[in-house]
Amino acid sequence: DSGVTQTPKHLITATGQRVTLRCSPRSGDLSVYWYQQSLDQGLQFLIQYYNGEERAKGNILERFSAQQFPDLHSELNLSSLELGDSALYFCASSVGDGGYGYTFGSGTRLTVV
Amino acid sequence: AQSVTQLDSQVPVFEEAPVELRCNYSSSVSVYLFWYVQYPNQGLQLLLKYLSGSTLVKGINGFEAEFNKSQTSFHLRKPSVHISDTAEYFCAVSDDSDYKLSFGAGTTVTVRA
Repeated sequence: DSGVTQTPKHLITATGQRVTLRCSPRSGDLSVYWYQQSLDQGLQFLIQYYNGEERAKGNILERFSAQQFPDLHSELNLSSLELGDSALYFCASSVGDGGYGYTFGSGTRLTVV
Repeated sequence: AQSVTQLDSQVPVFEEAPVELRCNYSSSVSVYLFWYVQYPNQGLQLLLKYLSGSTLVKGINGFEAEFNKSQTSFHLRKPSVHISDTAEYFCAVSDDSDYKLSFGAGTTVTVRA
């Protein structure tokens, strides 16, 4: 157990729908990162939050959004889902800005049908 | 932002043989280098990291890596692999200007008896 908790582990939904993925960071970590892992794109950075504020943005689609709450858990919202959004979504956390590495959760596997 | 090239996408190896996974990164003043392992259906686990100091870094499960600044490389090695080392391995880099981790495309290691 890495200390980073992601729920749900698996999600199957239809095209056009909206889903929310949840992440609880390791105790004491202030930064949360979201990554998408797919066969064709590899590990793609989506977005980072630090202590409730957006810190960095990567290749995140406009249909996707995220937030970090006062208790430091984070949610990634994916809307108007397309087949191509099927992927593993990882959350990671770090104490600061991540220069010393991240701790990853076990991921949420999203399947869009 | 940094970029990472993992030179081998697939590495088949026999049990108890040595293995080397190659990683090159784009140049920067100060870099932080990481190797992560992803076992089937699991999240990413940190194997080892180089932040500063000795260029030879020892990690978990008998792995080690050597930071070579002149060649901008951070190759991962293990002298004798086990079946249980079958996994995907990711090299990652960050630097002082952007602590966000950039990942390579991954190397799939398959250990056969």
